[in-house]
Amino acid sequence: DAGVIQSPRHEVTEMGQEVTLRCKPISGHNSLFWYRQTMMRGLELLIYFNNNVPIDDSGMPEDRFSAKMPNASFSTLKIQPSEPRDSAVYFCASSPRLTVNSNQPQHFGDGTRLSIL
Amino acid sequence: GENVEQHPSTLSVQEGDSAVIKCTYSDSASNYFPWYKQELGKGPQLIIDIRSNVGEKKDQRIAVTLNKTAKHFSLHITETQPEDSAVYFCAASTHGGSQGNLIFGKGTKLSVKP
Repeated sequence: DAGVIQSPRHEVTEMGQEVTLRCKPISGHNSLFWYRQTMMRGLELLIYFNNNVPIDDSGMPEDRFSAKMPNASFSTLKIQPSEPRDSAVYFCASSPRLTVNSNQPQHFGDGTRLSIL
Repeated sequence: GENVEQHPSTLSVQEGDSAVIKCTYSDSASNYFPWYKQELGKGPQLIIDIRSNVGEKKDQRIAVTLNKTAKHFSLHITETQPEDSAVYFCAASTHGGSQGNLIFGKGTKLSVKP
């Protein structure tokens, strides 16, 4: 079975440019999570969706960040305009249901390594 | 909100030795505690988890223990092998797991020397 698929794997762009990260969750999973990973702050939850509806975006750092989930098989995380401090690895994860437990764990993609010059 | 502390940040062991990683959490309502292993260039992968109504869970060479009173839980890896080298993250669920939030520790880089 295909896991969570993220694209691109690597993105290098200049500050001020718009960046769009993409995620395809595992088929049948109803919940989708976006995380950011940095050395200083570790893994931070940015936003999560349930049945394509955003549930909690309190982790989104600024208005420059936005996320959408237009359907059950696709989500985007957009940064506009991008800044050097946005450089990080961004992970998408999905789970069968919103409630997380042993039978419904979160599965992570391999991430997008974003570098803003 | 929930806060998860993880120690040590780095751990080096000889192949065949045991490794122990410890985490503490602050929210007494948390009731689900997964451990993830992250290899270089990969996303975190779930290796074992435990719920608050269980004190210990074991899966081959990996075990997790939970002390609800003290609000800490630990990962134990026995008979370590070089392929166990990775970064390990503990996490705790907020809202009792009902809303999917996972708060992660800062990670432990485990190195197993042959």
